[in-house]
Amino acid sequence: NAGVMQNPRHLVRRRGQEARLRCSPMKGHSHVYWYRQLPEEGLKFMVYLQKENIIDESGMPKERFSAEFPKEGPSILRIQQVVRGDSAAYFCASSPFAGGSTGANVLTFGAGSRLTVL
Amino acid sequence: GESVGLHLPTLSVQEGDNSIINCAYSNSASDYFIWYKQESGKGPQFIIDIRSNMDKRQGQRVTVLLNKTVKHLSLQIAATQPGDSAVYFCAETFGNEKLTFGTGTRLTIIP
Repeated sequence: NAGVMQNPRHLVRRRGQEARLRCSPMKGHSHVYWYRQLPEEGLKFMVYLQKENIIDESGMPKERFSAEFPKEGPSILRIQQVVRGDSAAYFCASSPFAGGSTGANVLTFGAGSRLTVL
Repeated sequence: GESVGLHLPTLSVQEGDNSIINCAYSNSASDYFIWYKQESGKGPQFIIDIRSNMDKRQGQRVTVLLNKTVKHLSLQIAATQPGDSAVYFCAETFGNEKLTFGTGTRLTIIP
């Protein structure tokens, strides 16, 4: 089991470009979470998805950010028209269960995608 | 050594000593708490968890203590090793809600 795979590991974009971050959950996991981490800070929840459904996007900025988890293929976090403030590490986590308290001990994080906006 | 979490994010401990990392959580309704370890360039790794109906839970070399009265969580690491150097985060959740992470404490083990 390869674990949660995120790519690219590092991505450099210029202001105004688009960033696409991909996350392949662990085999058998149908719940995906995206978190953002600024340097020297904790992880901030962005969005929770199940296959073909966005369950909770309360942490996602209203503009420029979108996420999907299609029936086939990885989950995608898309950031349009990136700005310097988008520079951060973006972590994906997957779980076989819904929510935190039933699944945190099997919630597995990927190694993250580090976005740098020039 | 002891950390006060959000107000003292760095903790240095001599190898072999015990360390205590503290965390003040925000939601009095939170019923499940987790400690994560994050090494440089990696994602968070689950260490230990505790439910709100408990005040102490032990694992291998680690112990988590929960004080709901003052909304305080601590992680004790016994006989620290160089591999324990990392940033440690507490996280809380209520019911089936998403995890809310604390700011984190950087633990450095001095050989």
